[in-house]
Amino acid sequence: AQTVTQSQPEMSVQEAETVTLSCTYDTSESNYYLFWYKQPPSRQMILVIRQEAYKQQNATENRFSVNFQKAAKSFSLKISDSQLGDTAMYFCAFEAGGGADGLTFGKGTHLIIQP
Amino acid sequence: GAGVSQSPSNKVTEKGKDVELRCDPISGHTALYWYRQRLGQGLEFLIYFQGNSAPDKSGLPSDRFSAERTGESVSTLTIQRTQQEDSAVYLCASSARWNTGELFFGEGSRLTVL
Repeated sequence: AQTVTQSQPEMSVQEAETVTLSCTYDTSESNYYLFWYKQPPSRQMILVIRQEAYKQQNATENRFSVNFQKAAKSFSLKISDSQLGDTAMYFCAFEAGGGADGLTFGKGTHLIIQP
Repeated sequence: GAGVSQSPSNKVTEKGKDVELRCDPISGHTALYWYRQRLGQGLEFLIYFQGNSAPDKSGLPSDRFSAERTGESVSTLTIQRTQQEDSAVYLCASSARWNTGELFFGEGSRLTVL
């Protein structure tokens, strides 16, 4: 069974600052995928970024990037030039290759961007 | 439709009543998930449907919970004899088999058991 751990229940930063959300996971799988999902107050979850474990290059999507450390089983999310609209719950998620078992989510980090 | 649709958006019920929650996935998506999210908490996996395979029911918290899916279309989550601890948002998500891991979520059904 896989586990995903997010050790920061809540974080708060000023607008325009850079913030890093941490995530660690535990698995015996060699082929897997990692994700960060965002859940704004509207409740609808949105995929922010994904990383294939076999890729060494860290994924990047505009202001969002990840630091994937496979040996350490760490998958942090960096948000640059944070904006008020980034305020949301952020969930780290894991899926074993093939997708047979679905996604396992961490407990989430509540990110607050202060004006 | 363009996205995952869930109904009802909000449901208030009395303890002991049965409730049924509905999910319409994105057309063509073979995988469908139900998650429960209690207030201020993370997502708790309930059940997972993948095509015509037997569903993964390992997350269902008790035998009061059941879910069905007809083929690759609509799914219903049924909670019998509701309890106050069942109060939560129930989220449905679907994904296309070829695009592993990118889940498209509905807005959820908020259940309140009085």
